[in-house]
Formats: sequence, C-alpha cells, structure tokens
Amino acid sequence: AQKITQTQPGMFVQEKEAVTLDCTYDTSDQSYGLFWYKQPSSGEMIFLIYQGSYDEQNATEGRYSLNFQKARKSANLVISASQLGDSAMYFCAMREGLGTASKLTFGTGTRLQVTL
Amino acid sequence: DAGVIQSPRHEVTEMGQEVTLRCKPISGHDYLFWYRQTMMRGLELLIYFNNNVPIDDSGMPEDRFSAKMPNASFSTLKIQPSEPRDSAVYFCASSRSGGSGNTIYFGEGSWLTVV
Repeated sequence: AQKITQTQPGMFVQEKEAVTLDCTYDTSDQSYGLFWYKQPSSGEMIFLIYQGSYDEQNATEGRYSLNFQKARKSANLVISASQLGDSAMYFCAMREGLGTASKLTFGTGTRLQVTL
Repeated sequence: DAGVIQSPRHEVTEMGQEVTLRCKPISGHDYLFWYRQTMMRGLELLIYFNNNVPIDDSGMPEDRFSAKMPNASFSTLKIQPSEPRDSAVYFCASSRSGGSGNTIYFGEGSWLTVV
C-alpha cells in the first residue's frame, strides 16, 4: 500500500482564491510527522509546513495551513489567497517516528496552476 | 545560514563515464540524505547517513552507485559507469536530530543527463 497518496495530479485555481491540495497517509506508527514541499519549475524543493502526529492544533505558516484529520489519516494543504508564484508541484511527505531522523516518504505530487 | 549546497548543478556526460555529485549539508546537521527524482519513479531515497555513518542504503539501485561521507560537512554520490537510465535530478538533503519536526532541507539538486 502507498504510504502517501496524492489523488490530484493537477489543480487549477484563480488568483486570490483559496485551494486545498489533498494528502492521505498510511502508517501504523503513533509518532510521525507530515510535511509539505513546493517544487517550482526551477527544480528546488522548498519546505513549506510541518505537522506532528501529536500536535493538537493545525499547523499554519503564513498563507499555508495544514488541515490535519488524524482519524481520517489526511493532511491536506490549504493555500489561501493564491498568487501566480504559487504555481508549482506540491509534494506531501511523511516521516515515521519522531525524535529520530528517519527518511521522508513522498507522494507523487500535485501540480498547481494559478490563473489570472 | 547557508542551505544545503550541491555541485554540479548540471552535468551532461557520456555513457560509461564516472559521475561524482557533491554535497555540503547545513552546518550542525547530523543527518544527510541522497534522493533521486525521475518522472517515472518520483522522489526516492537512495541512502542516508547519520553522523557520517551510512544507515540505510537499500535504495541504492546497484553496485554502480556508491556514496561516502568522509566528514560532517561533505558527501559524494558516485556513479561508475554511468548509463542513460541514471539521468535524473539528484537531491542532497540534511536534517538535525532533535530539531522541530526534524525537518529535512533540500539542496537545489544536481541535474544529470547521461547520453
């Protein structure tokens, strides 16, 4: 079974609108971390936001927020007030175990296109 | 703080040649990861080190690939001999144990083309 599933290969959103990128995960660990990365066309991987499995509140970083629903094993990324510069690939990733730095497992990504 | 630094950014080489990719992790980070990204397979972990010691190399595709970390500030990924199917973007990343979420920070990648 896939550990990280991103079911939206591509998404369109109008500038200034909000958009939600879906991510579901599969793990039997109680301790894990969920990450979102942005990859623009230039290729670099940019860390956006992190949510720990024990965090009670949803993580927020500026215009990014993570809608964490532990029982449903989902960790959707919400981008508010989309900008043209948000057009990129977005990857959800999971790190099993906390306190030790294990590897990140990535989803297949969602390509977001922000339109005028 | 400087981020993860990789070199070269772009490499075009002929099949059969040796390729060496280099990485300098963020100072103070004790974990170093090598990832490969292709259209077909997405992002996959090749190997990672903790305190310069290889911990998991199960993702290394075959014996043509080798990675070393001689000290805390330098790592190499070597492909010898290279093949066209090795063409990919190779990312180095680093992380600090005990940090917030143990976030992994990526370099800008080395774009390898084997012709």
